[in-house]
Amino acid sequence: AQSVTQLGSHVSVSEGALVLLRCNYSSSVPPYLFWYVQYPNQGLQLLLKYTSAATLVKGINGFEAEFKKSETSFHLTKPSAHMSDAAEYFCAVSGRGSQGNLIFGKGTKLSVKP
Amino acid sequence: NAGVTQTPKFQVLKTGQSMTLQCAQDMNHNSMYWYRQDPGMGLRLIYYSASEGTTDKGEVPNGYNVSRLNKREFSLRLESAAPSQTSVYFCASSGGTTYNEQFFGPGTRLTVL
Repeated sequence: AQSVTQLGSHVSVSEGALVLLRCNYSSSVPPYLFWYVQYPNQGLQLLLKYTSAATLVKGINGFEAEFKKSETSFHLTKPSAHMSDAAEYFCAVSGRGSQGNLIFGKGTKLSVKP
Repeated sequence: NAGVTQTPKFQVLKTGQSMTLQCAQDMNHNSMYWYRQDPGMGLRLIYYSASEGTTDKGEVPNGYNVSRLNKREFSLRLESAAPSQTSVYFCASSGGTTYNEQFFGPGTRLTVL
């Protein structure tokens, strides 16, 4: 069975500050991990994905995430927050045998203060 | 390419009414999915279709039916709507392997009174 836990339903940062959104996963098979972003009143858009090629994954809009097997984590970071980063972020996991189905975390809403 | 399209964008129903949410993709994907999104709950899978002609239940299938009409289209039907089905519904598609990302439609906001 697979599951995802996102720590913190709301995170608030100042513009220019580091963004850190936490994701921990549980998986009995090697996982594939994804971060999606949802802007208000829109669908989800892929930010980045981990498919075992490299543990540090770079995505769009300056975001990156590091896969740490020992910590079962896949935290999302961005060195300097921009107002346009305000959105909800979802971590998701899939794995061999899942037929491509994703298990989503409950989401973290990021606010960026001027 | 339009990607994943959904109709309608908004809908208000009375309890007991029925309706069908439509979804189409133009990316030649094998797999299609229906999710519902509720505040604080993330996305929960209702039904999915791994390939044309097959459908399977997800985490929350009760009260819903689906049809994979062809490779492009995957519809979700509420036979007798209930207030608990008030939600935002998203359709998604993917290549179908475990490392393929899913592409999402813009969503349908449904209110059941």
